[in-house]
Amino acid sequence: DTGVSQDPRHKITKRGQNVTFRCDPISEHNRLYWYRQTLGQGPEFLTYFQNEAQLEKSRLLSDRFSAERPKGSFSTLEIQRTEQGDSAMYLCASSLSRLAFVKYFGPGTRLTVT
Amino acid sequence: ELKVEQNPLFLSMQEGKNYTIYCNYSTTSDRLYWYRQDPGKSLESLFVLLSNGAVKQEGRLMASLDTKARLSTLHITAAVHDLSATYFCAVEINSGGGADGLTFGKGTHLIIQP
Repeated sequence: DTGVSQDPRHKITKRGQNVTFRCDPISEHNRLYWYRQTLGQGPEFLTYFQNEAQLEKSRLLSDRFSAERPKGSFSTLEIQRTEQGDSAMYLCASSLSRLAFVKYFGPGTRLTVT
Repeated sequence: ELKVEQNPLFLSMQEGKNYTIYCNYSTTSDRLYWYRQDPGKSLESLFVLLSNGAVKQEGRLMASLDTKARLSTLHITAAVHDLSATYFCAVEINSGGGADGLTFGKGTHLIIQP
């Protein structure tokens, strides 16, 4: 396994449309994180899964956002009724366990809302 | 609310010179991370610092942590062009709810000129 993968890498959508991103963590990593990064800023934490359980959501995650990790492996992040302010890089990261500390980031999905 | 401040935010330096990037954070932390990000790329883990006085070195980069001062430094020795990138520090707190979301600084955009 070469690392965390994300699909698609780029997405252009019109305002009001729904989009869904996928993240495949490193095999056997039970912790999965979603972050959002806007231009010139550091990533901001969105949500976190341990196995299939979503344990925390940031207040940045409005009710238009939903994330799932149904079988404790890959995860999806859906944005409904996209707005221009949703344009950002969406990063996924995974780690083996809390003791493993290091979180490995995927290449990201760049979303542009027009 | 946890705040993480990096300085400088932008740094242009010549090859062969030494410099230090500073990361201050506002509350007691469990762990401190340094990441590197190249333009259009994802984040690469550099260091994880776990305790007061921790020092880690990899090549021309050395990171240290002073938990009493809530300060971490990333020192660059004899800089080379390949180190040009944006460097982020990130702080992790065990919220008790199981979340291990990182809070990132805004990043230091480093340009190393020949």
